[in-house]
Amino acid sequence: NAGVTQTPKFQVLKTGQSMTLQCAQDMNHEYMSWYRQDPGMGLRLIHYSVGAGITDQGEVPNGYNVSRSTTEDFPLRLLSAAPSQTSVYFCASSYSALGSSYNSPLHFGNGTRLTVT
Amino acid sequence: AQTVTQSQPEMSVQEAETVTLSCTYDTSESDYYLFWYKQPPSRQMILVIRQEAYKQQNATENRFSVNFQKAAKSFSLKISDSQLGDAAMYFCAYRSADRDDKIIFGKGTRLHILP
Repeated sequence: NAGVTQTPKFQVLKTGQSMTLQCAQDMNHEYMSWYRQDPGMGLRLIHYSVGAGITDQGEVPNGYNVSRSTTEDFPLRLLSAAPSQTSVYFCASSYSALGSSYNSPLHFGNGTRLTVT
Repeated sequence: AQTVTQSQPEMSVQEAETVTLSCTYDTSESDYYLFWYKQPPSRQMILVIRQEAYKQQNATENRFSVNFQKAAKSFSLKISDSQLGDAAMYFCAYRSADRDDKIIFGKGTRLHILP
């Protein structure tokens, strides 16, 4: 069971370049999300999805796009990278809490360290 | 909007002693879940403990327990018999179950274990 698979592990971009961070899960989780982690700032929610075809903005969505065409995949797109987007990115998934009394924890990928020069 | 506050950026505790990490949150929702996650230097995120807001009983997992005060919107983590392997960054998290299901985190507390 692979869990949450995130690629790549490391990436260096030049300002203005675009790229997509890939995230896939094989646990049939409805909920998927992207976070960025910066020193002293904790994990900040970028975008999240509660099911295929549904996405919503988190705390810091500017400069990032997402789509959810399948239950398994939730890619994060940087259309024009900026140095302020240098960070560690985590994808995470879980069963949905909506309409459920089950407290499903988040399962995290191993993270992507992105540097924008 | 919901917020999660961890007021202690860093803490230290002697090995085998007990330490409490604080977390407060702000919400107008009645249905939600709370979590503590641990992040060691490996960067991996590890679930420590979880609590349902509708449960009055505090959650416990071996040496880890919480003090959940719903009226005060407080969710502190107590680590008993601290071990060197407990050294990590600890994050408190809030999950909305009323409306949008989103999960937000506090800024974290770095815990040092002194031998």
